[in-house]
Amino acid sequence: GAVVSQHPSRVICKSGTSVKIECRSLDFQATTMFWYRQFPKKSLMLMATSNEGSKATYEQGVEKDKFLINHASLTLSTLTVTSAHPEDSSFYICSARDHGGGRETQYFGPGTRLLVL
Amino acid sequence: AQTVTQSQPEMSVQEAETVTLSCTYDTSENNYYLFWYKQPPSRQMILVIRQEAYKQQNATENRFSVNFQKAAKSFSLKISDSQLGDTAMYFCALYIYNTDKLIFGTGTRLQVFP
Repeated sequence: GAVVSQHPSRVICKSGTSVKIECRSLDFQATTMFWYRQFPKKSLMLMATSNEGSKATYEQGVEKDKFLINHASLTLSTLTVTSAHPEDSSFYICSARDHGGGRETQYFGPGTRLLVL
Repeated sequence: AQTVTQSQPEMSVQEAETVTLSCTYDTSENNYYLFWYKQPPSRQMILVIRQEAYKQQNATENRFSVNFQKAAKSFSLKISDSQLGDTAMYFCALYIYNTDKLIFGTGTRLQVFP
């Protein structure tokens, strides 16, 4: 149980285009999902907290107009990188909290590697 | 501010031996949890073990155990009978209930040698 999927697992795009990454909780309902960014050989940095049916809460320094987050259902959150640039290349990981589980536990997706040329 | 520090960027251990990974943290909150996550080459984050701050007893999960020293704000991970599959990046993480945030350390890369 408690499986989180991400799609795509890897994406290459041209500079200036937009890329959408999906995060799905497969066997539980997730009212809250989190988006992290991980640079090579670095730690995970929280970008934003996504709550179903409401606006996402962004961490300081994260541009909300560049990283659009939508959490339209209890099992799906999307992160759209708008007008992507090479500096947006990174590994993006989502996590989800089970609505019926402990607040402190997050289940992580397998990550999406984004390369912007 | 809440911080998590892992002072060992890399560690290595021989198969079947025991290794301990260090982690210290800082928070003024009383309601928090501590975690160790494993990130193998596949990059999938896997929960290894968790510890509730209000519990004095150290958590144990099979070959994995922690040494939780609350006063010293230390949370080390001991891996017994190391296996080749334990080779991975290990992250210590702190969850603060009031802020609802999970804060990660910088990680320790563990290599298990045959």
